[in-house]
Amino acid sequence: NAGVTQTPKFQVLKTGQSMTLQCAQDMNHEYMSWYRQDPGMGLRLIHYSVGAGITDQGEVPNGYNVSRSTTEDFPLRLLSAAPSQTSVYFCASSRTGDYGYTFGSGTRLTVV
Amino acid sequence: DAKTTQPNSMESNEEEPVHLPCNHSTISGTDYIHWYRQLPSQGPEYVIHGLTSNVNNRMASLAIAEDRKSSTLILHRATLRDAAVYYCITGNDMRFGAGTRLTVKP
Repeated sequence: NAGVTQTPKFQVLKTGQSMTLQCAQDMNHEYMSWYRQDPGMGLRLIHYSVGAGITDQGEVPNGYNVSRSTTEDFPLRLLSAAPSQTSVYFCASSRTGDYGYTFGSGTRLTVV
Repeated sequence: DAKTTQPNSMESNEEEPVHLPCNHSTISGTDYIHWYRQLPSQGPEYVIHGLTSNVNNRMASLAIAEDRKSSTLILHRATLRDAAVYYCITGNDMRFGAGTRLTVKP
């Protein structure tokens, strides 16, 4: 039981490049979310999903896409990276909204 | 915007109880109250959650006001390892606010 696995742990991108941050969970959780955390700040919700095939926007969705084709995976796509997207990205999952969320260890992204 | 209000920071002495308050005056009847903490350089960690009744687990206790518009996370004996940012969250979309930075003094 690996919990929530995020890959990669570190990534450096050039401005304008695209990439996908991977998030996988093996707990059969329906709810999954993506957050970003800028230095010294709290977490901000990017996108979330309440089940396969269902996604919704959070507080800061611009510049990011998500899809949820399976229960296990919830990838986050950066369409055209910008320096403002330099941040630590966390993925989280929960059985439902009534249960506690398990967080991944994060992906530290730097856009130069 | 986050739906909760917490003090920016609090201090505690080691081995003393800590009461971390949270206001959530717009909470709906079916929203759970969740508490998470984030230790330095780590991802958030689940602490406790509840709906109406007070809740206890090995980490903490959660006291929920009768009108559910506020709650208090109780750490019964703070240790240096409890120094972290504590977040109170309501609603299924799990939006974090700024949280409370807890400092524990030896």
